[in-house]
Amino acid sequence: GAVVSQHPSRVICKSGTSVKIECRSLDFQATTMFWYRQFPKKSLMLMATSNEGSKATYEQGVEKDKFLINHASLTLSTLTVTSAHPEDSSFYICSARRGGGTVLNTEAFFGQGTRLTVV
Amino acid sequence: KNEVEQSPQNLTAQEGEFITINCSYSVGISALHWLQQHPGGGIVSLFMLSSGKKKHGRLIATINIQEKHSSLHITASHPRDSAVYICAPRGSNYKLTFGKGTLLTVNP
Repeated sequence: GAVVSQHPSRVICKSGTSVKIECRSLDFQATTMFWYRQFPKKSLMLMATSNEGSKATYEQGVEKDKFLINHASLTLSTLTVTSAHPEDSSFYICSARRGGGTVLNTEAFFGQGTRLTVV
Repeated sequence: KNEVEQSPQNLTAQEGEFITINCSYSVGISALHWLQQHPGGGIVSLFMLSSGKKKHGRLIATINIQEKHSSLHITASHPRDSAVYICAPRGSNYKLTFGKGTLLTVNP
């Protein structure tokens, strides 16, 4: 099956620094990528949707200046957590949708996730 | 009221038992995913279905669109099946709405 690679899997950073998380589709072109966040024992929450070559669409309550998303190519999307604070510590995971197909038959492929700890 | 309700929240079984996890949703959907999340956090999509029933090995997923209900079954459960199982309906815009998950523990 299709593979989505997310890097890094774990990162610890100091408060005030920025962290970049990469999400790559390895064997298909991802027209759309989704970024999710998961707090302990909570559901995954959609943060933003990114389409290649255009600005990301952020969900209500997600600060676009804090969580910068870039989808510069059909195989790579990045999420940068800027000026990180301890409350940004969470599990972040991306999902990619293969181009083409319909909403009925298009699978979603997930990255392995990134555990961010801000100290 | 949550848009996606899963039951049970926690489930402990003995190896070999038949497992059922239920999902009810109130949103309109184009398809529904069943996802598996292991302790490390990585997520695998087990099924995507928009009608009827799908089977993959020991896993079976069913959906009733009219009743807005889906079930995931595991036959002959095994300790390696221990994970969190998440129901995630998909809207017409490809966005997923996630249930809180069912923590399954299968004891040897």
